[in-house]
Amino acid sequence: SQQGEEDPQALSIQEGENATMNCSYKTSINNLQWYRQNSGRGLVHLILIRSNEREKHSGRLRVTLDTSKKSSSLLITASRAADTASYFCATEHTGGFKTIFGAGTRLFVKA
Amino acid sequence: DTGVSQDPRHKITKRGQNVTFRCDPISEHNRLYWYRQTLGQGPEFLTYFQNEAQLEKSRLLSDRFSAERPKGSFSTLEIQRTEQGDSAMYLCASSLLLGSVATNEKLFFGSGTQLSVL
Repeated sequence: SQQGEEDPQALSIQEGENATMNCSYKTSINNLQWYRQNSGRGLVHLILIRSNEREKHSGRLRVTLDTSKKSSSLLITASRAADTASYFCATEHTGGFKTIFGAGTRLFVKA
Repeated sequence: DTGVSQDPRHKITKRGQNVTFRCDPISEHNRLYWYRQTLGQGPEFLTYFQNEAQLEKSRLLSDRFSAERPKGSFSTLEIQRTEQGDSAMYLCASSLLLGSVATNEKLFFGSGTQLSVL
């Protein structure tokens, strides 16, 4: 089963706009991660936020975590056509060491 | 390139045949994971190893699936008597667990093996 649920399932924006994706999960976590996947390829790690952190930045990426609401968001600023991909949130829940992925958000950035 | 490599990239087989996939993790990584992904879905956890020990196996994994990691290096995933429902991308990932730190760090994924069962 999948732990996280991403919202929206698909997102289409113009180059230069910001893209926001949300993730909700069900159980207590040690950390939450975001991954990116280009079509037919493996996943690439983008950013990790620990359960005691509320916000983290990496380049054009900003991740927030609200453990009281069991939710996270990923913001990509000034999007580029090359950002077109699927984005997955993944959680490592307390008491277990496996990482569980959500169903993903498909982002399409139009040039 | 010292990333995670998977072989083969593509496998087409007939229903009822056995298939075996191989994963070579990043050399110093002690954790290795297998996931399965179908079109439009996120990766689904199958099993993971810490060194050569298989620590967890998904309840969704039938007896037809078996994984090994001899000597704690490369891993193989075998599917016996394949069914059409086994058609998917099989992804391998590795990570490094440092000392007694219990939490996982980021996973490094291979490009996957795309299985098609006819």
